[in-house]
Amino acid sequence: DAKTTQPTSMDCAEGRAANLPCNHSTISGNEYVYWYRQIHSQGPQYIIHGLKNNETNEMASLIITEDRKSSTLILPHATLRDTAVYYCIVSYNTDKLIFGTGTRLQVFP
Amino acid sequence: NAGVTQTPKFQVLKTGQSMTLQCAQDMNHNSMYWYRQDPGMGLRLIYYSASEGTTDKGEVPNGYNVSRLNKREFSLRLESAAPSQTSVYFCASNILGQRIYEQYFGPGTRLTVT
Repeated sequence: DAKTTQPTSMDCAEGRAANLPCNHSTISGNEYVYWYRQIHSQGPQYIIHGLKNNETNEMASLIITEDRKSSTLILPHATLRDTAVYYCIVSYNTDKLIFGTGTRLQVFP
Repeated sequence: NAGVTQTPKFQVLKTGQSMTLQCAQDMNHNSMYWYRQDPGMGLRLIYYSASEGTTDKGEVPNGYNVSRLNKREFSLRLESAAPSQTSVYFCASNILGQRIYEQYFGPGTRLTVT
């Protein structure tokens, strides 16, 4: 499975968009990009996934570059409850999700 | 619909003691997983079970055994606990073939081995 690189931490003002980047330059053609988050040591929570096209759901948007070597998770209107560690994972098989250390997002008032 | 439940929530063991962590899901999922998370680290897969009756090793299986008791339950056993197994243990499940991208996680078991 391809490796991902994420910034260690980011800040975002409440109500603003949070843009979390992820580099996955060695991604293979059949590998998906998944995003999960973990709020305060709870179990991780699935956010969104994508293969090639941009995706949007009720939680977030996922923008994948045309060469698929990087992606950005967008939380359009961050709230204090979005403070969490966000994991970008690349995998072709959900049985083998490799969690890195993620990005710690701090949303401030 | 409770989702994924884990027992116990907290446990303290002495080195050499044994214990079993229990996990159950009520979502009729095929696959179940055990992860561990050390402080400041991401989750690492210990074992998984793609379906009832099958189990496979993950990234860090040494020192653990698992049992897929039935479709609902997947237990993790530490035969002889070591301080290096101090960690938070998460169980997860998903259903292959439908919404295959989403693993559902339990609340975790916080284990300390002294």
